[in-house]
Amino acid sequence: GNSVTQMEGPVTLSEEAFLTINCTYTATGYPSLFWYVQYPGEGLQLLLKATKADDKGSNKGFEATYRKETTSFHLEKGSVQVSDSAVYFCALGNTGNQFYFGTGTSLTVIP
Amino acid sequence: GAGVSQSPSNKVTEKGKDVELRCDPISGHTALYWYRQSLGQGLEFLIYFQGNSAPDKSGLPSDRFSAERTGGSVSTLTIQRTQQEDSAVYLCASSLAQANEQFFGPGTRLTVL
Repeated sequence: GNSVTQMEGPVTLSEEAFLTINCTYTATGYPSLFWYVQYPGEGLQLLLKATKADDKGSNKGFEATYRKETTSFHLEKGSVQVSDSAVYFCALGNTGNQFYFGTGTSLTVIP
Repeated sequence: GAGVSQSPSNKVTEKGKDVELRCDPISGHTALYWYRQSLGQGLEFLIYFQGNSAPDKSGLPSDRFSAERTGGSVSTLTIQRTQQEDSAVYLCASSLAQANEQFFGPGTRLTVL
């Protein structure tokens, strides 16, 4: 079957710290992988995506690499800002099936 | 349209009443998804449509929940005889095809008193 397991939060970091949010998946076939972000009081929006193995998605300083050998898609950012405080969702999309979302990881960045 | 729209943005209802939530997807998007997000929880998949048909209804929590989509566009999620545990934010998303990125609407916040 298909599933996504995401690092549980909440995560609290100081500004300029390094961020990693772990995400691993189980899938049949060749899924696409996504990170969505939900800022306080707002809807979900796509942060980045990767559609095949070894692809790296990047946006707003965030990166994630589609690792088929470890079935992972960890989200990283070298230097977080207060404005990055949000809930981050890892997701998997596979043909013929629904999307699968992780449970979300809440990030708070303090000045 | 610019994006996915949902109405109403907020709905307060009394226990036992029926409610209808509406989703207008991005024009041309064939896939449409409904999710529920309870306070502090992740996304709970409810149902998805490919065109007007719903190949996967496995996420609907009970037979009080139903959804339809007409003309490959607008979708309505209906909850009958609402219960307090139905209180949540109901999110709609659409995509060009299955497994493509989803574009989310702002959600409908449902409160059942």
